[in-house]
Amino acid sequence: AQTVTQSQPEMSVQEAETVTLSCTYDTSESDYYLFWYKQPPSRQMILVIRQEAYKQQNATENRFSVNFQKAAKSFSLKISDSQLGDAAMYFCAYRSARSGNEKLTFGTGTRLTIIP
Amino acid sequence: KAGVTQTPRYLIKTRGQQVTLSCSPISGHRSVSWYQQTPGQGLQFLFEYFSETQRNKGNFPGRFSGRQFSNSRSEMNVSTLELGDSALYLCASSLSPGPSFEQFFGPGTRLTVL
Repeated sequence: AQTVTQSQPEMSVQEAETVTLSCTYDTSESDYYLFWYKQPPSRQMILVIRQEAYKQQNATENRFSVNFQKAAKSFSLKISDSQLGDAAMYFCAYRSARSGNEKLTFGTGTRLTIIP
Repeated sequence: KAGVTQTPRYLIKTRGQQVTLSCSPISGHRSVSWYQQTPGQGLQFLFEYFSETQRNKGNFPGRFSGRQFSNSRSEMNVSTLELGDSALYLCASSLSPGPSFEQFFGPGTRLTVL
């Protein structure tokens, strides 16, 4: 079974600064997807960024980028120029590419606070 | 395009009762997944439906069940409620079950069991 570990329950960053959230995972599969989801206090889970395991290039979405290290099974999220609206719970998630097993497996989350 | 809608948003039940939660996916989406979110266990997969068929099921007791209708709307049912069933239940829809298809989440139903 796959597992996802987020070792930082809480993080804080000054507005406009850069912060990196950590995530490691364990799997025996070679083909899979990794995601970062954001859950603000309003509860609606929003996809921030995704990475396909077979792609070596790290995914980037505006101020959000990942550092994907497949051999180390590490998938960190970097948020640049942090904004107050970035305050939320961030969940790292794994999804197998194997048909019939495409459920999301989530980490325990990191609560990100933005300091004005 | 309207997002995923879940009804009701809040629900209070007592132990032993049963409850039905509803999820309407984004128009055109045929795959619906359910997740339970609790402070202690985090986010856990319940089940996934596609074309009215359950494709995948998480590790939950048989008290948790679901179904999907021909219009892709889905319901989940919890019978004989226990205190530990208090949670935020999230529904997510996607065009198709494959991992390349993004899952869009609804706002959730907050269930409190007294």
